[in-house]
Amino acid sequence: AQTVTQSQPEMSVQEAETVTLSCTYDTSESDYYLFWYKQPPSRQMILVIRQEAYKQQNATENRFSVNFQKAAKSFSLKISDSQLGDAAMYFCAYRSARSGTASKLTFGTGTRLQVTL
Amino acid sequence: DTGVSQDPRHKITKRGQNVTFRCDPISEHNRLYWYRQTLGQGPEFLTYFQNEAQLEKSRLLSDRFSAERPKGSFSTLEIQRTEQGDSAMYLCASSLVIPGKYEQYFGPGTRLTVT
Repeated sequence: AQTVTQSQPEMSVQEAETVTLSCTYDTSESDYYLFWYKQPPSRQMILVIRQEAYKQQNATENRFSVNFQKAAKSFSLKISDSQLGDAAMYFCAYRSARSGTASKLTFGTGTRLQVTL
Repeated sequence: DTGVSQDPRHKITKRGQNVTFRCDPISEHNRLYWYRQTLGQGPEFLTYFQNEAQLEKSRLLSDRFSAERPKGSFSTLEIQRTEQGDSAMYLCASSLVIPGKYEQYFGPGTRLTVT
């Protein structure tokens, strides 16, 4: 079974600064997808960024980028130029790419990000 | 595209009562997932449907839980004889199963409190 570990329960960053959230995972599969989801307080979860394991290039979405290290099974999220609206719970998630699977997401326990002025 | 909706948003019930939640996925999405999220944890997979067929159930889904997706549209999740341990946020997500499209879109959740 796959597991996802987020070792930082809480992080804090000043507005306009950069912060990196850590995520490690364990799997015996070679083909899979990784995601970062954002869950603002009392609001629904939204996808921030995704990474296909077969791609060597790290994904980027505007101020969000990942550092994907497949051999180390590490998938960190970097948020540049942090904004107050970035304050939320961030979840790292794994999904198998194997055909015939449920495509269910396996989540970490989350990192709560605070953004200060 | 109005997104995934869930009803009710909050439910308070007494132990032993039955509750039913509804999820309306994004139209044309053929996969629908249910997850449970307890305080301080990430969501955990419960079950999923492809169209109207329930294809997988987690071991977390005890016999008191049942889910349906008639006609492959909306889905319901029923919990019978609720227990305090059932208190959680129940999340629904939907996705479209075509090559290159694998994101799951989440609803706002139903927060269940069992007293």
